Amino acid sequence: EDQVTQSPEALRLQEGESSSLNCSYTVSGLRGLFWYRQDPGKGPEFLFTLYSAGEEKEKERLKATLTKKESFLHITAPKPEDSATYLCAVDNAGNNRKLIWGLGTSLAVNP
Amino acid sequence: NAGVTQTPKFQVLKTGQSMTLQCAQDMNHNSMYWYRQDPGMGLRLIYYSASEGTTDKGEVPNGYNVSRLNKREFSLRLESAAPSQTSVYFCASLIRGQETQYFGPGTRLLVL
Repeated sequence: EDQVTQSPEALRLQEGESSSLNCSYTVSGLRGLFWYRQDPGKGPEFLFTLYSAGEEKEKERLKATLTKKESFLHITAPKPEDSATYLCAVDNAGNNRKLIWGLGTSLAVNP
Repeated sequence: NAGVTQTPKFQVLKTGQSMTLQCAQDMNHNSMYWYRQDPGMGLRLIYYSASEGTTDKGEVPNGYNVSRLNKREFSLRLESAAPSQTSVYFCASLIRGQETQYFGPGTRLLVL
């Protein structure tokens, strides 16, 4: 069964304390893996798309990496404004662009 | 560009009432989606429209109907609302040839 699992469910960091969020997936054929950020009361905001193992993308303090089984979202020296829920989704080849979503990691960064 | 817009932002219904959630996008996207988001359940696809004139069921279509009015607009209708339909509803769109779905701000629905 196609599945996306994110861990941890929740993470609390001190400002400046770097860490990583995990997204593991089991799908028959990966067309793309997506990271989104969601602030309370708002819709998901697109961050990154990764297509193949070994690929990396960066944006400010965030860096996303991809292997054949999982993706990591590395957060370097986080700030309080990085507090949000981070969602991972997978586009399974042949699924007519229907994404498989993880439940998200809720990140809180304390000043 | 406004991106993806949704109306209303918040709605309270009584069991059995009907309503239509509106979604519009100004990005000339081909495909549009309706999701619901519930605590502990994540985002679940209700219906999607791969192109104007076509609609298909997603993971949780029961109790909902959709209309792809034109390329810009995709509406979601609850014919007889039930408390189990209390949720946050998101509309999303994407352009053929790309893979990224862009989301609206959501509609928060409470069914009493």
